[in-house]
Amino acid sequence: NAGVTQTPKFRVLKTGQSMTLLCAQDMNHEYMYWYRQDPGMGLRLIHYSVGEGTTAKGEVPDGYNVSRLKKQNFLLGLESAAPSQTSVYFCASTLTPGLAGNDPHSGANVLTFGAGSRLTVL
Amino acid sequence: AQSVTQPDIHITVSEGASLELRCNYSYGATPYLFWYVQSPGQGLQLLLKYFSGDTLVQGIKGFEAEFKRSQSSFNLRKPSVHWSDAAEYFCAVRGPGNKLTFGTGTQLKVEL
Repeated sequence: NAGVTQTPKFRVLKTGQSMTLLCAQDMNHEYMYWYRQDPGMGLRLIHYSVGEGTTAKGEVPDGYNVSRLKKQNFLLGLESAAPSQTSVYFCASTLTPGLAGNDPHSGANVLTFGAGSRLTVL
Repeated sequence: AQSVTQPDIHITVSEGASLELRCNYSYGATPYLFWYVQSPGQGLQLLLKYFSGDTLVQGIKGFEAEFKRSQSSFNLRKPSVHWSDAAEYFCAVRGPGNKLTFGTGTQLKVEL
C-alpha cells in the first residue's frame, strides 16, 4: 500500500517552460488536493477535486491547471512557469466525508499527504 | 472563511522540558481541528484531531491538544520533549469541501 505518491520529487524549470506534477493514490479516495508550501506562509490550497472528472479552485489557483481523468490520479500543470511558482508542492487525498458520516474514528476528514515535489523556476 | 493563526514562528525548548504550541482558529460552525508535523524534507504526518466530544485529545508520539471553544484555541502540548520532536508543526481547520486551512506553522528547535 503506497498511499499517496508524487512524481517527480525534484524539478528545475526555466521561466516559460511547462510541466506536469503527478499525484497517484491507491486508497480509493474520492477527494484529492494540491497545496503549495512557502516559507512563513504554511500550506495554501491550489486546486482540489471531489471525484473523478471534477475539479475546483482553491485559494491560489492562478497559473495552474488540474485534471482528474482517473479517480486515482490528480495532475497539476504549469503552462508557463514563473519564478513565483518556485515552491514545494504537496498532494493529499481523503475519503468522502458523507460516506463515513462524522465518525471521528473513521478515515474520513483526515488527509493523507504525499512526500512533496520541490520545484524551482529560474 | 475559516482561518488559523499560529502566533509563534519559532520556539526553542530544552530536551525534557514541557512544550505548548499555540493555535487559534476562526470558523463559523463546530470546527474539525488537526495538528500535523513535518520533519525536514518530509511530508505532513497527522499528530491528532478533534471532531467532537472530549475536548482533550491524545495523539501519537505523546502529544495532546485541548480544544477550548470559548478561546477559539486548540493548543498542542507535550510534557517532556525529545530531541526527535524538532520539526515544524501545523495547525489546521477543516472547511467546506473537506478542505483544510493551515496556519503558517511553528518551527520547534530542541536544545540538548
